Amino acid sequence: GAVVSQHPSWVICKSGTSVKIECRSLDFQATTMFWYRQFPKQSLMLMATSNEGSKATYEQGVEKDKFLINHASLTLSTLTVTSAHPEDSSFYICSARDRRGNTGELFFGEGSRLTVL
Amino acid sequence: AQSVTQPDIHITVSEGASLELRCNYSYGATPYLFWYVQSPGQGLQLLLKYFSGDTLVQGIKGFEAEFKRSQSSFNLRKPSVHWSDAAEYFCAVARAAGNKLTFGGGTRVLVKP
Repeated sequence: GAVVSQHPSWVICKSGTSVKIECRSLDFQATTMFWYRQFPKQSLMLMATSNEGSKATYEQGVEKDKFLINHASLTLSTLTVTSAHPEDSSFYICSARDRRGNTGELFFGEGSRLTVL
Repeated sequence: AQSVTQPDIHITVSEGASLELRCNYSYGATPYLFWYVQSPGQGLQLLLKYFSGDTLVQGIKGFEAEFKRSQSSFNLRKPSVHWSDAAEYFCAVARAAGNKLTFGGGTRVLVKP
């Protein structure tokens, strides 16, 4: 089955530093990946849509300079939280769409938990 | 814009009892509907999906869901829950297959022995 891997699974960083989270499709090519944020005991909120080879599309209210998204290849998208602050602490989840698109399904990574001290 | 409502934040059910999780959506056209399950600290696993056709959809782990257009609902059911079904369940809607998902608030299921 289609597998999406996120790295790191969890990260702790100091306030003011930048953190990069990777999302990889391991056995398929993904032209589109989605980044979600999930606060404790809450639902998933879409942050941005990442398209291979082009700029990401951000949802309203999401700071694109704060959350940098790069989708440089068909199997990798990265989310960089720049100058992280405690309020950026959250669970970040990516999902990917198989470029063949024949199942219509999105495949989710295991999530990355960010804690900013 | 599409939206999803899961009216029940928490549900507690005894092991072996039946389970029904409610989901109501708002979308002008024919929606693409999904149910996902999330264990603590984990990603999401797809239980089932509805795109078209038979309105009763069978999924993994013994789950099923029924699409009712007249009620704008897509409720999830399981005849007999197991302790391992304790998790958070999310209903989601998309405009088209493979498009971004809009999630409901989630329902946390607790299973009593």
